Amino acid sequence: GAVVSQHPSRVICKSGTSVKIECRSLDFQATTMFWYRQFPKQSLMLMATSNEGSKATYEQGVEKDKFLINHASLTLSTLTVTSAHPEDSSFYICSALKEGGGELFFGEGSRLTVL
Amino acid sequence: DAKTTQPTSMDCAEGRAANLPCNHSTISGNEYVYWYRQIHSQGPQYIIHGLKNNETNEMASLIITEDRKSSTLILPHATLRDTAVYYCIVRVAGNQFYFGTGTSLTVIP
Repeated sequence: GAVVSQHPSRVICKSGTSVKIECRSLDFQATTMFWYRQFPKQSLMLMATSNEGSKATYEQGVEKDKFLINHASLTLSTLTVTSAHPEDSSFYICSALKEGGGELFFGEGSRLTVL
Repeated sequence: DAKTTQPTSMDCAEGRAANLPCNHSTISGNEYVYWYRQIHSQGPQYIIHGLKNNETNEMASLIITEDRKSSTLILPHATLRDTAVYYCIVRVAGNQFYFGTGTSLTVIP
């Protein structure tokens, strides 16, 4: 199946710093990508929809100034967690929508720990 | 918001068929049903999706009722590696995929 790659897979940072997570679709172009976060023993929560060449659409309750999303090309979307705090520690997962077939493929996730 | 409800957990004997139900009574006519599974600390894995007709691939079969208000994912011969959380998702008009709570499937030796 199609491959979506996330980097880094794990990151530890100090409180107040910013962290960037990359999401790449390796063998297909993705006009639309999505970012999710997942807390332990919980389901995935959709944070935002990322559309290539336009502003991301954020779900209710998600701070757009804190979670900056950029989708500069058809194969790359980035999520930047700005001024991270311990409560931002979570598993962040991206996904890319393959046009035509309609499948949504997920990356392996990035575990963020804020000290 | 998720438009699906699933049982919290299920067990299945190894080698037997695993039948995972999903209710999506508010689904609209052009919304697809998708199934994914997630093994601990990994990204979700795509299994299958469908609109109206039953679908089958190398992993599973998807049975959708005629009124489209519910569906069943069938893993024909469950193995220990099929132990995971299975999510039934309705893809809404804006292409968003909202996850519900999922079913934790345990395959028992």
